[in-house]
Amino acid sequence: DVKVTQSSRYLVKRTGEKVFLECVQDMDHENMFWYRQDPGLGLRLIYFSYDVKMKEKGDIPEGYSVSREKKERFSLILESASTNQTSMYLCASSLQVGGETQYFGPGTRLLVL
Amino acid sequence: ILNVEQSPQSLHVQEGDSTNFTCSFPSSNFYALHWYRWETAKSPEALFVMTLNGDEKKKGRISATLNTKEGYSYLYIKGSQPEDSATYLCAFLTGGGNKLTFGTGTQLKVEL
Repeated sequence: DVKVTQSSRYLVKRTGEKVFLECVQDMDHENMFWYRQDPGLGLRLIYFSYDVKMKEKGDIPEGYSVSREKKERFSLILESASTNQTSMYLCASSLQVGGETQYFGPGTRLLVL
Repeated sequence: ILNVEQSPQSLHVQEGDSTNFTCSFPSSNFYALHWYRWETAKSPEALFVMTLNGDEKKKGRISATLNTKEGYSYLYIKGSQPEDSATYLCAFLTGGGNKLTFGTGTQLKVEL
């Protein structure tokens, strides 16, 4: 079974803090994704990566950056957290882009005060 | 930005009822349509990936159909059980694209 883990289930941070969300997958998948989910909105793609050190912006990259130094690990960075970044963050991975199933982590619920 | 719409937004049914929801997506430049189930406090879990017009897929009591020409997919649950309570998400991928666009989901609650 594919396993995607995220470093924290819940996080509380203060405005202006630098926040790291970590995601690890154990199935040697090429592609990894970061989404956020807010009430009344679908999952929205922040960034994705199709290879080590490669990244592409998703639909809402502003205020975020990412890092993929190793194939299994994809980090989402909030350079200076703001209250409008309070959200549920989901990481996913897939073998290939396109039609392949995405496998999701359990999510990190981030509260920025 | 692509528009993927799901209806209804939420649904309450009794145990044993059969139910269905709709996912609408742009009919041009279709590549794939995904369905996921997301139970509270768990990870979203893939149900189906559909690529061909007229495709029908089945997993236990859950099945899905796809009409790419008119831009919709139906998800059916036969004989709903409380464990089917979840949010059902569809996601659309265009040809040549590499990003899924998700709908807002249908939240299903199955009551005893």
